[in-house]
Amino acid sequence: DQQVKQNSPSLSVQEGRISILNCDYTNSMFDYFLWYKKYPAEGPTFLISISSIKDKNEDGRFTVFLNKSAKHLSLHIVPSQPGDSAVYFCAALGWQNTPLVFGKGTRLSVIA
Amino acid sequence: DTGVSQDPRHKITKRGQNVTFRCDPISEHNRLYWYRQTLGQGPEFLTYFQNEAQLEKSRLLSDRFSAERPKGSFSTLEIQRTEQGDSAMYLCAPGTNTGELFFGEGSRLTVL
Repeated sequence: DQQVKQNSPSLSVQEGRISILNCDYTNSMFDYFLWYKKYPAEGPTFLISISSIKDKNEDGRFTVFLNKSAKHLSLHIVPSQPGDSAVYFCAALGWQNTPLVFGKGTRLSVIA
Repeated sequence: DTGVSQDPRHKITKRGQNVTFRCDPISEHNRLYWYRQTLGQGPEFLTYFQNEAQLEKSRLLSDRFSAERPKGSFSTLEIQRTEQGDSAMYLCAPGTNTGELFFGEGSRLTVL
């Protein structure tokens, strides 16, 4: 059973526009959420995170929104750039040091 | 530079053979994680160490799998009697207890 779900396998966006990647989770014990970015032939790299006590965290062009009641989070990238083309993984962490649980990823293509 | 060296980068083996992967983190994080990733999936947790102690193992880790971190620095993951279903990318990551993991480029296993 997938505890972290990314229902869109791929997304295509025009350069300069906003990219919105979505993620849903089922386990209410998750209290920390992260986004990772992965380029081909590389391991995933940490991008941005949010604690469950917040509903928004912003870092430059990247903003993560958390809706706890809906068990939903999203990553906004604005403006999107061709270098943002990658696979984005949503991940969640529970308390008591449970390991990070990843979604299946969404492949973002930013078209120039 | 990911701060993590994994060896070998690619291993092709015949079913039934044993393989061993090594992970050398440059950073000095107490925690070190092993994940596995197959095509179209996100990274799946296998096991993690706090210094030299193996604290948790996933149910994905059958008794054919064994991992060690003898001096709390480098780590090895051995798979005995490999099966075709073991074909995957094996990712090592030192990390923090807030989910920030520093993945290496991975070791790709192909079992024929």
